[in-house]
Amino acid sequence: DTAVSQTPKYLVTQMGNDKSIKCEQNLGHDTMYWYKQDSKKFLKIMFSYNNKELIINETVPNRFSPKSPDKAHLNLHINSLELGDSAVYFCASSQPGTGHEQYFGPGTRLTVT
Amino acid sequence: GDSVTQMEGPVTLSEEAFLTINCTYTATGYPSLFWYVQYPGEGLQLLLKATKADDKGSNKGFEATYRKETTSFHLEKGSVQVSDSAVYFCALKRTGGSYIPTFGRGTSLIVHP
Repeated sequence: DTAVSQTPKYLVTQMGNDKSIKCEQNLGHDTMYWYKQDSKKFLKIMFSYNNKELIINETVPNRFSPKSPDKAHLNLHINSLELGDSAVYFCASSQPGTGHEQYFGPGTRLTVT
Repeated sequence: GDSVTQMEGPVTLSEEAFLTINCTYTATGYPSLFWYVQYPGEGLQLLLKATKADDKGSNKGFEATYRKETTSFHLEKGSVQVSDSAVYFCALKRTGGSYIPTFGRGTSLIVHP
């Protein structure tokens, strides 16, 4: 059973398009996250969502928006894609009882051409 | 603010060599400390953790000891294998306050046969 799943695994699209990445976790966790990993493997937190409280990294462009239809899902919508958005995007979840250790999805490699 | 500093990679070793990856941190209070591992093409996964001073986390032959006096959490393994080739991330989660973790920049390990 996959704990945190993401779709699609790969996403190739053109500049200016709008795309979404879906994330689901079956761990019953209350907190979910989106991270961006660049080509040098640097991991940057984009959003965290906990009991309907959204915390946004202020450096994230407002073209990115998370949407949570329920506690098990946190999708990422990206409008007007730019070349610099090319990266690997990871969804993760956590729970307070474990010190918020992170459970990561397999990642979505986004390529903007 | 909180920060995690890791040694820059890549670290290149021969099989069965001893591994040390240095990690130091800055945080208020008594954070929990983590090591995550990312194998090629995969998401990060928790390798080990320690929640208080002098605790030792261990898993798969890897160890790290929470040293409050030196604010360090160095990762060690006595004999590395080719299959240990991956990127290793040190992270902290402050006790209380924000639940969002702080990650280091990652250290790539390459093990040659």
